[in-house]
This record gives sequence, C-alpha cells and structure tokens, in this order.
Amino acid sequence: RKEVEQDPGPFNVPEGATVAFNCTYSNSASQSFFWYRQDCRKEPKLLMSVYSSGNEDGRFTAQLNRASQYISLLIRDSKLSDSATYLCVVNKALETGTASKLTFGTGTRLQVTL
Amino acid sequence: EPEVTQTPSHQVTQMGQEVILRCVPISNHLYFYWYRQILGQKVEFLVSFYNNEISEKSEIFDDQFSVERPDGSNFTLKIRSTKLEDSAMYFCASRPGTGVSYEQYFGPGTRLTVT
Repeated sequence: RKEVEQDPGPFNVPEGATVAFNCTYSNSASQSFFWYRQDCRKEPKLLMSVYSSGNEDGRFTAQLNRASQYISLLIRDSKLSDSATYLCVVNKALETGTASKLTFGTGTRLQVTL
Repeated sequence: EPEVTQTPSHQVTQMGQEVILRCVPISNHLYFYWYRQILGQKVEFLVSFYNNEISEKSEIFDDQFSVERPDGSNFTLKIRSTKLEDSAMYFCASRPGTGVSYEQYFGPGTRLTVT
C-alpha cells in the first residue's frame, strides 16, 4: 500500500464550481498533515496545514479523520488561478526536535476552465 | 517575505561528472532538507540535516551523495559521479526550529539534466 494515496485526476471543473480532493495515508504514526500546491515545473508551495478539528482559509477547507487515516481538501468558488496539482503531504516526527521528513502523495491535478 | 533560494536553476552535466547544488535556507531556520522529483513522479525525500549533521537519509541517498553546510548560510548537495537516472528537479527545503509546526518551505529547485 502506498504511504500517501491520492486520485491523480485530472479534475476538470468550470470556474465557480466546488471541488473536493481526498487522500489516505498508511502510517498511523503520522503526526502532521498538509496540503501543498504545485504548479507545472515549480516547487511545492504550502497551501495549508490540516488540523484534527478541521480548518478553513478563505475558499479552502481541510479536514482530517485520524481514525480513517483520511484527509480532504475542499475548494469553493474555484478560480482559473486554482489550476495546479494539489499534493497531500504527511509527516511522522522521529522524536521531538528531530528533523522529520515529509512524505508526498503523487498529487491530484485540477484544471479550472471558463 | 523570506524565501529559500537555490542555484543554479538548471544544470546540465555529463554522466560521471560531479555536481554541487546550492541552497540558501531561510535565515532563522534550523532544519534543512533535500528532496527530488523525477519528471512525472512524486516528490521524494533524500536527506535531512540538523545541528551540522545528517538526521535521516533515504535509500536513494547512497554513497554518491553528500551534504554540507560549509558556512552559516549555504547548504549544498553534492553528487559525486552522476548517472542518467539522477536527472530530476532537486528541491531544498527548510523549517524553523521553534514551535511544533513541521511546515517546510521549498526553494524553486535546480533542474539537473545528466546526458
């Protein structure tokens, strides 16, 4: 089983639509969860951290279900500029204060059209 | 806003040659990382660095790879004898040492092409 699994898409949606991405992770010891955004041939950029209580940042809402090892991202009122690949990322700290690596999913590609 | 910077943006080298990829992490960050992304594939962890030593390394990070923080600002990745399969985007990342956030911030990457 992949450590972080995402539907690769592409998701083609019209401007203004609501779109949801899902992600599952295999390591129950994972402690921190993120959504990153990656434009073509660019670096991953942090979109938002994901907290157990769920969190919202403008048009973006992230949810975490630790029991199901499931993370989601909801984008409301999608814009052309939201077109990108959305990366589900998890982190398992080795110990407090250690460097801790990020584990990436393959990403879900979103194309927003007029 | 502080950023991670990387040089060069694109490096072309012949198989068997040594390359050094350079990174300047965000100035008050204490943890440093290298990741790579082969075209069309996911981002993969290579190595993490803290307190002037390697904290963790992946299976990819074999004896051909080394990292160094030669001064207070630069963080380098050296590939001793490049192979065709080393062609990829190499991203440097850093994160603060304070608080409990594990958010990492990525540089723009170096595209390495091995011919």
